[in-house]
Amino acid sequence: GAVVSQHPSWVICKSGTSVKIECRSLDFQATTMFWYRQFPKQSLMLMATSNEGSKATYEQGVEKDKFLINHASLTLSTLTVTSAHPEDSSFYICSAARLAGGSTDTQYFGPGTRLTVL
Amino acid sequence: GEDVEQSLFLSVREGDSSVINCTYTDSSSTYLYWYKQEPGAGLQLLTYIFSNMDMKQDQRLTVLLNKKDKHLSLRIADTQTGDSAIYFCAASGGYQKVTFGIGTKLQVIP
Repeated sequence: GAVVSQHPSWVICKSGTSVKIECRSLDFQATTMFWYRQFPKQSLMLMATSNEGSKATYEQGVEKDKFLINHASLTLSTLTVTSAHPEDSSFYICSAARLAGGSTDTQYFGPGTRLTVL
Repeated sequence: GEDVEQSLFLSVREGDSSVINCTYTDSSSTYLYWYKQEPGAGLQLLTYIFSNMDMKQDQRLTVLLNKKDKHLSLRIADTQTGDSAIYFCAASGGYQKVTFGIGTKLQVIP
């Protein structure tokens, strides 16, 4: 159990276009989903925390208008990279956390989406 | 904030044991994780340990936690070529923000 999927797995787009990435928890309900960005040979950097039905909480330095996050249901969160530029090219990974019996649980990560902006 | 550090590279021979070390700074961290990332793929949770535990064993994996020194290690017994990957140490105060180390690249030599 605890499978998280992302779609698409990779995407190439032209500069100035917008790209939407989906993150789904397949077999559990995730009250909280997280979006990370990974630069080559670097660790994961948390971009934002997304709670179902409320606005996302962005980390310092992450542009809210650039990276739009929607968490419309307990199994789906989306990240939209608006007006993408080459510097937005990166590996984007989502994770989902569930509450188990009132106690906290670990985060389960999706396979990631590789975005290349030309 | 939390800072997680780990060495960048480890090379071992197939069949030997691998030990990947990690240190963290926030003594209130409740969960310590080890993730594996294969080339071009996302993160795979290998194991995690609660801060009130000293050791956790799961088949070939052994996690040791020294809470006093804020030191975490992952031991892989009988390392195989399929274990070659980047291993991330991570720390969290709950299921909220998780801070990752930079990752240790494990190279297994046949």
